[in-house]
Amino acid sequence: EPEVTQTPSHQVTQMGQEVILRCVPISNHLYFYWYRQILGQKVEFLVSFYNNEISEKSEIFDDQFSVERPDGSNFTLKIRSTKLEDSAMYFCASTRGQGSYNEQFFGPGTRLTVL
Amino acid sequence: GESVGLHLPTLSVQEGDNSIINCAYSNSASDYFIWYKQESGKGPQFIIDIRSNMDKRQGQRVTVLLNKTVKHLSLQIAATQPGDSAVYFCAEKRNRISGGYNKLIFGAGTRLAVHP
Repeated sequence: EPEVTQTPSHQVTQMGQEVILRCVPISNHLYFYWYRQILGQKVEFLVSFYNNEISEKSEIFDDQFSVERPDGSNFTLKIRSTKLEDSAMYFCASTRGQGSYNEQFFGPGTRLTVL
Repeated sequence: GESVGLHLPTLSVQEGDNSIINCAYSNSASDYFIWYKQESGKGPQFIIDIRSNMDKRQGQRVTVLLNKTVKHLSLQIAATQPGDSAVYFCAEKRNRISGGYNKLIFGAGTRLAVHP
């Protein structure tokens, strides 16, 4: 069964450093998402991406964040200068179509720890 | 506002009992809702969904009920098993009508603990 994969599973970084979180969505999917989950809290939407551009972003997704689909398979989230409060699980998700009833498939997540 | 929340943060049940997890949502224009299960160290896993033109939908051992009048969702798990132990989230999908481009708005989560 196809699945969303994410690497690394755990990333530890120093405050102020740049990190890139990587995702490989399901191969025939066209819509991509990043969510984050601070420990013990709910999952929060960050950004959606389609046709090589951002469709929507939340207030969390400020200028320190960027997304890219550098090739036909990867979808990345970059944080330019990490802050302590960026420590969280980051989930990538993908969906085949844009319709409301298309299921979003989630990856296993990357745990980001900012020291 | 944008909020989807839960009434109970933790639910403990005996194996074999039925479980009911509740959720409230705020946007009356929302037309699609999903329940996700999250096991420790994993991403959210789809369980069951329901569209706003329905008030009940059944899956294998799970049932979702939607009450649009009071903006309330519930997930019922029949004959709860130890493997059901996880955190359960309700989510509301926001589309152009309800204010989004298919982003999911998640509730706070309920931890289900199943005891033998």
